[in-house]
Amino acid sequence: NAGVTQTPKFQVLKTGQSMTLQCAQDMNHNSMYWYRQDPGMGLRLIYYSASEGTTDKGEVPNGYNVSRLNKREFSLRLESAAPSQTSVYFCASSEQIHRLGQPQHFGDGTRLSIL
Amino acid sequence: AQSVSQHNHHVILSEAASLELGCNYSYGGTVNLFWYVQYPGQHLQLLLKYFSGDPLVKGIKGFEAEFIKSKFSFNLRKPSVQWSDTAEYFCAVSPYTGGFKTIFGAGTRLFVKA
Repeated sequence: NAGVTQTPKFQVLKTGQSMTLQCAQDMNHNSMYWYRQDPGMGLRLIYYSASEGTTDKGEVPNGYNVSRLNKREFSLRLESAAPSQTSVYFCASSEQIHRLGQPQHFGDGTRLSIL
Repeated sequence: AQSVSQHNHHVILSEAASLELGCNYSYGGTVNLFWYVQYPGQHLQLLLKYFSGDPLVKGIKGFEAEFIKSKFSFNLRKPSVQWSDTAEYFCAVSPYTGGFKTIFGAGTRLFVKA
C-alpha cells in the first residue's frame, strides 16, 4: 500500500519555466491538498480539492494552478516559475466525513529549486 | 484570521529529559486538533489527534497531549525523550465550520542529545 505518491522528488527549474508536480493516492480518499513548506513558516495550503471535480484556493494560491484529474490524482502546476516558489511541496489526502477535518496522509515531498 | 502558535521554534534536550511543546490556537468554536511529526528526510506523520471526549489524548511512541479548552491550548508531552525523537513537530487545528482546511503551526524543531 503506497499511500500518497509524489513525483518528482527533486527538480531544478530556471525562472520562467513551467512544471507540473504529480500526486496520486491509493486510499480512496475524497479530499486532497497541496502545501508548501518553508523554514519557520510551517505548512501553508496552496490549493485543495474537497472531492473529485472540485478545487479551491488555499492560503497562498498565486502562481499555481491545480487539476483534480480523478479521485486518485491531484496535480499542481507552476506556469511561470519564480525564485519565490523555491520550496518543498507536499501533497496530502484525507477522508472527508461531513464537515469535520480528518487526519491527513502526506507524500514524501518534492524539493523544488528555482534559479 | 484563525492561527496556530507554537511557542518554541527550537528545543534541545538530553535523552531521558521530559518534553513539553506548546500549541495555542485562535479559533473559538469546535475544533479537531492534531500533532504531526516529521523525522529528518521524511514526510509528516500523524502523532495523535483529538476530536472529542477525554481531553488527555495518547498517541504513538509514548507521546500525549492535553486539550485545555479555556486556554485554547493543545500541548504535546513526553515523560522521557529518546534520541530517535529528534524531529520537527507540527501542531494543527481544523475548525469545525471550515472542515476542509487544516491550519498548521510553524513547527518546533526538537534535537535530542544522546
